[in-house]
Amino acid sequence: AQSVTQPDIHITVSEGASLELRCNYSYGATPYLFWYVQSPGQGLQLLLKYFSGDTLVQGIKGFEAEFKRSQSSFNLRKPSVHWSDAAEYFCAVARPAAGNKLTFGGGTRVLVKP
Amino acid sequence: KAGVTQTPRYLIKTRGQQVTLSCSPISGHRSVSWYQQTPGQGLQFLFEYFSETQRNKGNFPGRFSGRQFSNSRSEMNVSTLELGDSALYLCASSQQRADQETQYFGPGTRLLVL
Repeated sequence: AQSVTQPDIHITVSEGASLELRCNYSYGATPYLFWYVQSPGQGLQLLLKYFSGDTLVQGIKGFEAEFKRSQSSFNLRKPSVHWSDAAEYFCAVARPAAGNKLTFGGGTRVLVKP
Repeated sequence: KAGVTQTPRYLIKTRGQQVTLSCSPISGHRSVSWYQQTPGQGLQFLFEYFSETQRNKGNFPGRFSGRQFSNSRSEMNVSTLELGDSALYLCASSQQRADQETQYFGPGTRLLVL
């Protein structure tokens, strides 16, 4: 069975600084990979996704992620964080040909200092 | 287009009762998935429906059930509630049951079991 690990439970970053969130997955082949963001009291919003092709994926809100097959990683980055980026971020995987079932990591809560 | 709507938004029940949660997908979307979010277990997949048929099921006891109607609206039911069922229940919809479809999440129903 696939699994997803987000090693950092909390990250605190200063506004304007760069941000990198780590995600490692365990799966026999290359899964579909996703990053979602959840603001307090809200549902999940898709930031970006990777299915195949270029390993550097651009998403919304200035986020990007890089798929590294050799490291089974899909880390999320943002060059300059805004206060509105404070939220919880989830990495998720889906098995190809398994429909819409997503397996999520435990999440990383991002706090932004002024 | 209106987003995914979930009703009710908040619910308080007592142990042993049953509860029904409702999800209205985005207009034109035919796939609906349900997830449970708790602080201890994180986000876990419950089930997925497409064209009124359950196509995928997570590892939850039989007390958790769902259905989808011809208009794609979905309900999930939890019978004989336990304290551990307290959670945020999220619904997501997508147009088709295809791997590359973006899933759009609703705001969730927060269930508290006393």
